[in-house]
Amino acid sequence: DAGVIQSPRHEVTEMGQEVTLRCKPISGHNSLFWYRQTMMRGLELLIYFNNNVPIDDSGMPEDRFSAKMPNASFSTLKIQPSEPRDSAVYFCASSPSGQGAPVRGGYTFGSGTRLTVV
Amino acid sequence: AQSVTQPDIHITVSEGASLELRCNYSYGATPYLFWYVQSPGQGLQLLLKYFSGDTLVQGIKGFEAEFKRSQSSFNLRKPSVHWSDAAEYFCAVASNNAGNMLTFGGGTRLMVKP
Repeated sequence: DAGVIQSPRHEVTEMGQEVTLRCKPISGHNSLFWYRQTMMRGLELLIYFNNNVPIDDSGMPEDRFSAKMPNASFSTLKIQPSEPRDSAVYFCASSPSGQGAPVRGGYTFGSGTRLTVV
Repeated sequence: AQSVTQPDIHITVSEGASLELRCNYSYGATPYLFWYVQSPGQGLQLLLKYFSGDTLVQGIKGFEAEFKRSQSSFNLRKPSVHWSDAAEYFCAVASNNAGNMLTFGGGTRLMVKP
């Protein structure tokens, strides 16, 4: 099992550019989460998908952020336009538990994408 | 709403010394509790979890944690710390009422002195 795979590992972009982060969850996991980690705010949940459907996107900071999950094996987080304050490490995590079920397995995290917006 | 508090932002211990990282949660019923570790530049790795039964749970890398309902705590312990344990540690809580959602604490950064 390759685990949760995120790409790219590092991204440096100029302010105003579009950034797309990618995630491949573990096969068979039906829940997917996007987190952002910064020194100031710690770990923040941005959005949660269950069976490819967005369940809770209340953590998405603003309309510049969007996330999709077109199928069970792929998700993207897009920032357009990017700003320096978006600089952070973005994590994707997946879980085998479904909506309403106790999350017994915990989450499996990817290695993250370190985004720097200059 | 459920919440998790890790009172210690930084902890420094000497190699070979014992370790206890504190975690307090706020939730009405029995929660599902987790500890994760994050090494520099890495994602979070699950150390151990508690759902029910024996309140002392064993995890990987020699860690253990004890669930104490009366204190709403789930403290992480290790009898003898190794330099490789230097990392950030996160406590997390989940519940049926919150669906599949984990709530994370703010983390405790552990430094190990030689």
